[in-house]
Amino acid sequence: SQTIHQWPATLVQPVGSPLSLECTVEGTSNPNLYWYRQAAGRGLQLLFYSVGIGQISSEVPQNLSASRPQDRQFILSSKKLLLSDSGFYLCAWSVGDHGYTFGSGTRLTVV
Amino acid sequence: GEDVEQSLFLSVREGDSSVINCTYTDSSSTYLYWYKQEPGAGLQLLTYIFSNMDMKQDQRLTVLLNKKDKHLSLRIADTQTGDSAIYFCAEKYSSASKIIFGSGTRLSIRP
Repeated sequence: SQTIHQWPATLVQPVGSPLSLECTVEGTSNPNLYWYRQAAGRGLQLLFYSVGIGQISSEVPQNLSASRPQDRQFILSSKKLLLSDSGFYLCAWSVGDHGYTFGSGTRLTVV
Repeated sequence: GEDVEQSLFLSVREGDSSVINCTYTDSSSTYLYWYKQEPGAGLQLLTYIFSNMDMKQDQRLTVLLNKKDKHLSLRIADTQTGDSAIYFCAEKYSSASKIIFGSGTRLSIRP
């Protein structure tokens, strides 16, 4: 069956520290992969998406970057976190048009 | 342009029907989706409808699509306390690899 793993579930990081959030997908090949951020439990902001290994599209210029080193692995990174990077980060995958499957999310608090 | 709009809040009495509305701007949308997000969790795909359909029913859920007015609605029959959540409308248009989400409607249930 198809599953998506996202970790860690919660993270508290000081301002200026680096960030690495990882997302892996099982049970499917060549998925589209996505990183979203949700602030204050509301709307979703698309940060990055990838249609293949090494192919990253950035939606919003910001302090973050993404990489896809393997077909089913998507990593969200930052070299130096800002307070405004706090939020709920969601990874998702899709194959075809039948919607996204989301991970359980990582709540990041930058202090 | 890409825009999906929803009202922010809806309050219904337990046992009544809930109707959550959504409008979108892109007439080339191919699929439209409804997602549910419970507190602290990722998004769960509830249902989706292809743009050449007017209606789709799945147990207590009914989706209505008015393509002329670019209006999508989700009706939940016999609303229960477990239906309390944020509901997101989303669209995918033919030329894109990504889905555009609305800002979500918070559904609260009163006894």
